[in-house]
Amino acid sequence: DAKTTQPPSMDCAEGRAANLPCNHSTISGNEYVYWYRQIHSQGPQYIIHGLKNNETNEMASLIITEDRKSSTLILPHATLRDTAVYYCIVKATNRDDKIIFGKGTRLHILP
Amino acid sequence: DVKVTQSSRYLVKRTGEKVFLECVQDMDHENMFWYRQDPGLGLRLIYFSYDVKMKEKGDIPEGYSVSREKKERFSLILESASTNQTSMYLCASSPLAGVVYEQYFGPGTRLTVT
Repeated sequence: DAKTTQPPSMDCAEGRAANLPCNHSTISGNEYVYWYRQIHSQGPQYIIHGLKNNETNEMASLIITEDRKSSTLILPHATLRDTAVYYCIVKATNRDDKIIFGKGTRLHILP
Repeated sequence: DVKVTQSSRYLVKRTGEKVFLECVQDMDHENMFWYRQDPGLGLRLIYFSYDVKMKEKGDIPEGYSVSREKKERFSLILESASTNQTSMYLCASSPLAGVVYEQYFGPGTRLTVT
């Protein structure tokens, strides 16, 4: 079973920041938070990951709460090409901990 | 950029046929994975490999086998295809042996078994 809870769908206006929440209240100390997205008919695409500090890269920012029980993925200026299903995953890095994709959040960017 | 390629985007096979799905990555990654994706079920791990000639079962290995003879290539084999193996198959790779951070996925193969 997935260790995360995400809303099934969200809307965001084009050009605005898209904030995607994720709850992971049972996260362990050695587990990272990962975000992937899947655009229709394509394979999942890695976005970002973090342990406890906030992270930013060219695609997005990841905000992790201090207790690590929830996180938010921020797409700062959403475009129509950001329409996709976004998956939040918690996973340790050791080889025996498998990545489990839940059902994700379907993000609709509205023109 | 990491590139993971899969041999076919779409494939139609008959029940009982032996099916080979090929995956190649060009970034010298140690780890490779095979998943299937079905509506409402998300991605499920079939098999993975952390080294050449090495394989480990994922969550749903029944009816499948794999082969990794070269580092860059990971093959998924359906020994005798059945209709319940109709699905989207996704291959992925990641760089560090035994340590899995981000994974890079191929475009997927949509397999239909009739």
